[in-house]
Amino acid sequence: AQSVTQLGSHVSVSEGALVLLRCNYSSSVPPYLFWYVQYPNQGLQLLLKYTSAATLVKGINGFEAEFKKSETSFHLTKPSAHMSDAAEYFCAVSSNDYKLSFGAGTTVTVRA
Amino acid sequence: DAGVTQSPTHLIKTRGQQVTLRCSPKSGHDTVSWYQQALGQGPQFIFQYYEEEERQRGNFPDRFSGHQFPNYSSELNVNALLLGDSALYLCASSRTGERTEAFFGQGTRLTVV
Repeated sequence: AQSVTQLGSHVSVSEGALVLLRCNYSSSVPPYLFWYVQYPNQGLQLLLKYTSAATLVKGINGFEAEFKKSETSFHLTKPSAHMSDAAEYFCAVSSNDYKLSFGAGTTVTVRA
Repeated sequence: DAGVTQSPTHLIKTRGQQVTLRCSPKSGHDTVSWYQQALGQGPQFIFQYYEEEERQRGNFPDRFSGHQFPNYSSELNVNALLLGDSALYLCASSRTGERTEAFFGQGTRLTVV
């Protein structure tokens, strides 16, 4: 079985500041890990994915995440927050059975 | 490419009624998964369909059932609706053998009153 835990249900950052969203995973097999973003009343959009290649993964909109096996973490970062980054962010894990297991989500607000 | 499309976008039902939600997968995808996202929570896996059969199922009661058609589109049926079934229902499509990415639709917002 696999699961993820997102630390912090809400994160508030100033425009231009670093965005850091934390995700720890649990998986009995080498995991595939994902970050999705959800804007109000919309579906999920994939930001980036880790699939056992490079441990530092770059995604869309300037986001990146680093897979750290020793820490079972897959934290998401963006060097400089933009107002358009305000959204809900979900970390998810997939094992060999294709289904995605999501965390509870982190809401990001960006202060002008 | 139309991506994953879901219908309807919103609907309101009364307790005890039945509802059917529809999903058309992204072109080239043959696997459809359904998720329930309650307000303020992450999506929860309901089930997955491949080759017109339910391949996996999450922890949901038998009131939740589904179907996949030969053109890979899918339906989610919920019987005997409860207030707690109010949620955003998301459909995701993928290609079997490629565990790397699932594409999500915009979802159907179901309100049970």
